Amino acid sequence: EVQLVESGGGLVQPGRSLRLSCAASGFTFDDYAMHWVRQAPGKGLEWVSGISWNSGNKGYADSVKGRFTISRDNAKNSLYLQMNSLRAEDTALYYCAKDSERGFGEFYYFDYWGQGTLVTVSS
Amino acid sequence: DIVMTQSPDSLAVSLAERATINCKSSQNILSTSYNKNYLAWYQQRPGQPPKLLFYWASTRQSGVPDRFSGSGSGTDFTLTISSLQAEDVAVYYCQQYYTTPTFGQGTKVEIK
Repeated sequence: EVQLVESGGGLVQPGRSLRLSCAASGFTFDDYAMHWVRQAPGKGLEWVSGISWNSGNKGYADSVKGRFTISRDNAKNSLYLQMNSLRAEDTALYYCAKDSERGFGEFYYFDYWGQGTLVTVSS
Repeated sequence: DIVMTQSPDSLAVSLAERATINCKSSQNILSTSYNKNYLAWYQQRPGQPPKLLFYWASTRQSGVPDRFSGSGSGTDFTLTISSLQAEDVAVYYCQQYYTTPTFGQGTKVEIK
C-alpha cells in the first residue's frame, strides 16, 4: 500500500523559514518523480514544485521560485521542501504527491497523495 | 502557463441523476505525437486529499466506479457522473500536464 506522510508544518512568522518532509513507503521511491501541491484554506489546488526520480529535473511555480527548494533522498525514501522568506499567502495545507512517471523531461499526473501538513504564516 | 477553467463552479444534482462538469484549457493539450490528451481529473471529498479519477482524459484509475466517465479532446473536456450517489459529494478538479502542471478552480457537487 502506497503511503505518503508529510511533516514539518506549523506556525511561522513572515520572512522566516520552514522545512517540510514527506516519508514514502509501499512503492519503489526512486522510480518516480514527486511533487508538492498546496491548498490554501477554502481554496483550490496549486502545484508548487516537482522533482524527477534522480533529482535531475526540478520545477517550481512562479509564486515560489527563488524562495522554495525541492529535494529528495532516495536512500531514505524521503521528499523535502525548504521554504524560505515565507509570506502570508504561503499559508496552506501542503500535500506530497507521487507522479505516475519518472519525470525525465516532464511531469505527469499525481496518482497518490498524502494527508497534508498545514503551514500557517502569521505574525 | 496553461489556464484551466471549469464550469460550473458548483452544481446540485438529485440522487441517481446525471452530473456534468466541464473543463476548458487555454491552449491545446493534445499531443499529436502520442495522440493523447494530457488531462487528469481528481475528486476531493470534504476533509480528504484529492483522489485520482482519470488520466489521459478518459482512462479510469483502478477502483473508480464506472458511473464516472471522462471525455473530450484538444481544449474541451468533460467529467460525467451518470447516476449521482451520496458518496460523490465532493469538489472535482481537472489538471493539465502538457506543460507545468496547472489545475482548474474546482467544481463543487452537492445533492439537490
